[in-house]
Amino acid sequence: GDSVTQMEGPVTLSEEAFLTINCTYTATGYPSLFWYVQYPGEGLQLLLKATKADDKGSNKGFEATYRKETTSFHLEKGSVQVSDSAVYFCALRPMNTGFQKLVFGTGTRLLVSP
Amino acid sequence: DSGVTQTPKHLITATGQRVTLRCSPRSGDLSVYWYQQSLDQGLQFLIQYYNGEERAKGNILERFSAQQFPDLHSELNLSSLELGDSALYFCASSVALGRTEAFFGQGTRLTVV
Repeated sequence: GDSVTQMEGPVTLSEEAFLTINCTYTATGYPSLFWYVQYPGEGLQLLLKATKADDKGSNKGFEATYRKETTSFHLEKGSVQVSDSAVYFCALRPMNTGFQKLVFGTGTRLLVSP
Repeated sequence: DSGVTQTPKHLITATGQRVTLRCSPRSGDLSVYWYQQSLDQGLQFLIQYYNGEERAKGNILERFSAQQFPDLHSELNLSSLELGDSALYFCASSVALGRTEAFFGQGTRLTVV
């Protein structure tokens, strides 16, 4: 079945460091891909998305490119801030018709220190 | 603020009891999804409703049920609660079946003691 694999955390970085959180997926066809972020005590927020191969999603300095050849959607940010500390979830929406169901990875906790 | 409202925010109850979680979707959204986030299982899709009808089922236990009402709000009913049902329950909504974005509420944290 469809699945998402994320790198295990926590990822610990100093402020202004470069961030990469790896995400690979298994799915038939061309799923839509997402990154969600969950700040402490809050719900999930959509961070960015890509709906077809080679699409680049970007938001708040974060970027991820839909790579069909490597079935990956790695999240990157050039310079992290303390306020980026959160749990990041990679997710896919299967390419099915009739219903929508997000498949999530296990989440990667990011801790940014000043 | 995503526009999706969940109540209550926190719930503590005893084993064997029954609780109801409520979700109001974003204005105009017809589709509602329920997810369970637990430490050992991660985020799991439970069930989806669209305009009052059940459209998809995930890993939802038989002790759990849901419905979506004519005003589009949804309720998730959890009965015969066990310790392992302690989790964060999220509701999400989207405009239509084919849309790629779902907006999440802040969740209801259920603690079963």
